[in-house]
Amino acid sequence: DGGITQSPKYLFRKEGQNVTLSCEQNLNHDAMYWYRQDPGQGLRLIYYSQIVNDFQKGDIAEGYSVSREKKESFPLTVTSAQKNPTAFYLCASIKTGVDEKLFFGSGTQLSVL
Amino acid sequence: GDSVTQMEGPVTLSEEAFLTINCTYTATGYPSLFWYVQYPGEGLQLLLKATKADDKGSNKGFEATYRKETTSFHLEKGSVQVSDSAVYFCALSGGTSYGKLTFGQGTILTVHP
Repeated sequence: DGGITQSPKYLFRKEGQNVTLSCEQNLNHDAMYWYRQDPGQGLRLIYYSQIVNDFQKGDIAEGYSVSREKKESFPLTVTSAQKNPTAFYLCASIKTGVDEKLFFGSGTQLSVL
Repeated sequence: GDSVTQMEGPVTLSEEAFLTINCTYTATGYPSLFWYVQYPGEGLQLLLKATKADDKGSNKGFEATYRKETTSFHLEKGSVQVSDSAVYFCALSGGTSYGKLTFGQGTILTVHP
């Protein structure tokens, strides 16, 4: 079955540590996105990539970094500069063209130790 | 900038009750409007969408009509089921791609037997 796989499901970060969240899709989608979800708030866009080797900042990119070396993969690194990293992180992808819609992964819950 | 405001929750209903979740938006131009649903521990799934004024999106018994004059996109269902218990997000896309979305804060719906 095609879909988006996020791993790990739960992740813990120590003070001053960088952590990387994995996102892989086998839908052959062109564009990929990272959203952050906080309790009682809507999702906010962190970074997105419309093609390989290219990505743009979203609304809350500070403290995060991404790469897009392969069409299938869009990992997100939460750096030590992100002072409030505890949140639910959702990866999504979209195939541009007729009847576009976002497909979401099942998310990674990041917590600070 | 663009924004989406949803009615505050949580909403608790008995099975077979009528559901309305209010959503209003602020945007320049002519955005596309969406309702997404999130079941516990999962990512979001597209429930329905409308791309122009007076369009009605519908799916699984849920409906929402794009009202430009009141800048609203209220979600309705005539008879809810326990399986409809989830978090519902209203969202808009101000551009040509449906990947960069502005989300409301989400409304938790709980349906009791």
